[in-house]
Amino acid sequence: DAGVIQSPRHEVTEMGQEVTLRCKPISGHNSLFWYRQTMMRGLELLIYFNNNVPIDDSGMPEDRFSAKMPNASFSTLKIQPSEPRDSAVYFCASTNADRALYNEQFFGPGTRLTVL
Amino acid sequence: GENVEQHPSTLSVQEGDSAVIKCTYSDSASNYFPWYKQELGKRPQLIIDIRSNVGEKKDQRIAVTLNKTAKHFSLHITETQPEDSAVYFCAASINYGQNFVFGPGTRLSVLP
Repeated sequence: DAGVIQSPRHEVTEMGQEVTLRCKPISGHNSLFWYRQTMMRGLELLIYFNNNVPIDDSGMPEDRFSAKMPNASFSTLKIQPSEPRDSAVYFCASTNADRALYNEQFFGPGTRLTVL
Repeated sequence: GENVEQHPSTLSVQEGDSAVIKCTYSDSASNYFPWYKQELGKRPQLIIDIRSNVGEKKDQRIAVTLNKTAKHFSLHITETQPEDSAVYFCAASINYGQNFVFGPGTRLSVLP
């Protein structure tokens, strides 16, 4: 298994531009999570999906952030317009919530976003 | 909502010594407590986890203990090695991993 796949691995953009991060979960996993990691705030859960449906988006910082999961094998996190304070590493993780009482989250390699 | 605190924020030990990292959580409904290790520039990876119906779990040099009454859990690493140097995150979940709240992390340095 290739694991969780994220693209791009690095993104440098200018303030005000739209940024789209992509994630492909592990095949067969039915839960997907988007995290943001910064030195100041650590690892923060932004949103998670079960069976492609958003369950909890309370961590999404503001309306500039949106996430979609059109099918079981693909999700996007979009920032529009981007701001310098959005600079962070964004991780996607997936798990199989149907495996009773065993829900290790497998993380992707992350996307390092820099907004100038 | 759940709040997870973690101490210490940094920890330096000599190779071969033991390291202990402690976490506390606020929501008594939390029932799953994983520990993740993140090496520099890499992704977090699960190293051990414990569920609320268990008090202790061991895996080779790593052990985790849970005190539900006090709402705290700890990671113990024995015979530390340089490759143990990393940032360690604890987390708590009220629904077996569907919604983690991570602690702020502990940077462990194992000195040769």
